[in-house]
Amino acid sequence: SQELEQSPQSLIVQEGKNLTINCTSSKTLYGLYWYKQKYGEGLIFLMMLQKGGEEKSHEKITAKLDEKKQQSSLHITASQPSHAGIYLCGAGGLSSGNTGKLIFGQGTTLQVKP
Amino acid sequence: SAVISQKPSRDICQRGTSLTIQCQVDSQVTMMFWYRQQPGQSLTLIATANQGSEATYESGFVIDKFPISRPNLTFSTLTVSNMSPEDSSIYLCSAPFQGYNEQFFGPGTRLTVL
Repeated sequence: SQELEQSPQSLIVQEGKNLTINCTSSKTLYGLYWYKQKYGEGLIFLMMLQKGGEEKSHEKITAKLDEKKQQSSLHITASQPSHAGIYLCGAGGLSSGNTGKLIFGQGTTLQVKP
Repeated sequence: SAVISQKPSRDICQRGTSLTIQCQVDSQVTMMFWYRQQPGQSLTLIATANQGSEATYESGFVIDKFPISRPNLTFSTLTVSNMSPEDSSIYLCSAPFQGYNEQFFGPGTRLTVL
């Protein structure tokens, strides 16, 4: 099984709708990074969370790390076609500190219908 | 944010040959990483490129297959040796900044082995 589980695996939403993507581990997350990837391209860094209960925003995207540091959620408000892509979470460490060596979830593919 | 470039952006190679991928960062960084993204999959860490010493490889990856150089604090190369069709992937380099508060990726090198 994956050390970092993302759900859902894929998502199709109507433009303007809100959506949430989850990233879950059975171990404590040290350094939780969110990225967006367009098909076949590099990763765009969105934000990094490290403290339990931390919340950060980037334009219409908000990410949270729960108090126990075992789950992070990415929330997009009023989705637009430009939000379409693959969202990846990566952990810099599981059970121990952030080493910078990222372990990735399997990704969530988002389609936004105009 | 930092700029990380890679060359080539894509290549088609014959089995049994080798390809060297270059990664250039626009500022000095302590750590650089190489990842592989197989078709339809998430990213897997290949190795940490250490400046002035041998690279540190993750389980399942060996130096003979993926030799890495790190001649200075802004540049690294990854060679994919004796290629087979199973090596067809996107190869990405990355580097952390601001401690580990940010980690940026290059645009990737899309390799197809025939």
